[in-house]
Amino acid sequence: GAGVSQSPRYKVAKRGQDVALRCDPISGHVSLFWYQQALGQGPEFLTYFQNEAQLDKSGLPSDRFFAERPEGSVSTLKIQRTQQEDSAVYLCASSLEQGWGLAPLHFGNGTRLTVT
Amino acid sequence: QQQVKQSPQSLIVQKGGISIINCAYENTAFDYFPWYQQFPGKGPALLIAIRPDVSEKKEGRFTISFNKSAKQFSLHIMDSQPGDSATYFCAAKNYSGAGSYQLTFGKGTKLSVIP
Repeated sequence: GAGVSQSPRYKVAKRGQDVALRCDPISGHVSLFWYQQALGQGPEFLTYFQNEAQLDKSGLPSDRFFAERPEGSVSTLKIQRTQQEDSAVYLCASSLEQGWGLAPLHFGNGTRLTVT
Repeated sequence: QQQVKQSPQSLIVQKGGISIINCAYENTAFDYFPWYQQFPGKGPALLIAIRPDVSEKKEGRFTISFNKSAKQFSLHIMDSQPGDSATYFCAAKNYSGAGSYQLTFGKGTKLSVIP
């Protein structure tokens, strides 16, 4: 596709439900990131994949958050037993290069998660 | 500490004026400083970026000024237009180990350009 695609665009979950957010990066992009953006704030790093390898998950706020990219393309961010503080926009970004590369990050339009 | 401080939080500029947004950082390991533009309901989009060995970079109406010794950098938007109204984020990239790198974002500046 032409850009990073995320689905669903909006998700409303009741407290305690599990959710799965999908990211389709730009074809051929090696690096994939997940960010969390709270209302009125800048994006905050959650996790980084280089192909199928999750090299950094230091930003995941708790063990309720889990991400995977099994074939090195599509990625899924899963949140178990959602809490109200999980309400945010979840952004996915991909980049052609890996590691030290300075290729730009291309962001998707995000999934807005609201936990009621 | 991984932190990028951005100011002001909001900015109102008249059409044709200059918009200036400032950022400061602490971590000297940061090696790449991009600016992102975000419209409501959209993801951030890369606007312009600079490396710390350069003091200024200009692309069209957008200029980054970089002061390595002061650990500060700023975005200047010349001849600001109503279409520039958006939220702007500065960011800084660093290697975080094990082949991974991170972008740390500022909290954002909401720019409104009034006719």
